[in-house]
Amino acid sequence: NAGVTQTPKFRVLKTGQSMTLLCAQDMNHEYMYWYRQDPGMGLRLIHYSVGEGTTAKGEVPDGYNVSRLKKQNFLLGLESAAPSQTSVYFCASSWNGGQASRGYEQYFGPGTRLTVT
Amino acid sequence: GDSVTQMEGPVTLSEEAFLTINCTYTATGYPSLFWYVQYPGEGLQLLLKATKADDKGSNKGFEATYRKETTSFHLEKGSVQVSDSAVYFCALPAYSGAGSYQLTFGKGTKLSVIP
Repeated sequence: NAGVTQTPKFRVLKTGQSMTLLCAQDMNHEYMYWYRQDPGMGLRLIHYSVGEGTTAKGEVPDGYNVSRLKKQNFLLGLESAAPSQTSVYFCASSWNGGQASRGYEQYFGPGTRLTVT
Repeated sequence: GDSVTQMEGPVTLSEEAFLTINCTYTATGYPSLFWYVQYPGEGLQLLLKATKADDKGSNKGFEATYRKETTSFHLEKGSVQVSDSAVYFCALPAYSGAGSYQLTFGKGTKLSVIP
């Protein structure tokens, strides 16, 4: 049971380049999330998904796109990277995020450190 | 909206010292409350949780009691170790629409324990 895995672990991009971050989970969780972590800002939700084929915007969605074609995978795309997107990106997953989920925890991947120059 | 406020760090303690990290919350009703820990170079992992008022969550020597009177969920440990050096996040589920809840995190408190 690998839990939540993220690919790649590190990446350096030049301004304007594009890339995709891959998140995979093997716990059959319905909900998946992408966060970014910046010094002094805690974790901020970028996008999330409540099930295969569905996505929704979080707190800071601008400049990012996501797709959930398979239940176990959640992709985060940067179409035209900017230095402001330099951050550590975390993926997480959880059981159903509805009313009952107020007691359910999220499981996090190890993170991807992205630098945009 | 629902939110958490936790004390800012960094916090530096000597080994075997007593630890308190304050967390207060604003919420509709009585949501579950969580403490997550992030060790250097790793993702977040659940440390403990409490699902209703007056519950005490505990794990690895850490404790936190869900106090609705003071809307608090302070993290405590009686004797910290060097291996407890990490960033600690308080969190609660906040309603995000369409019947779903997402975790809202505090800004994190960095703890450094020195021998």
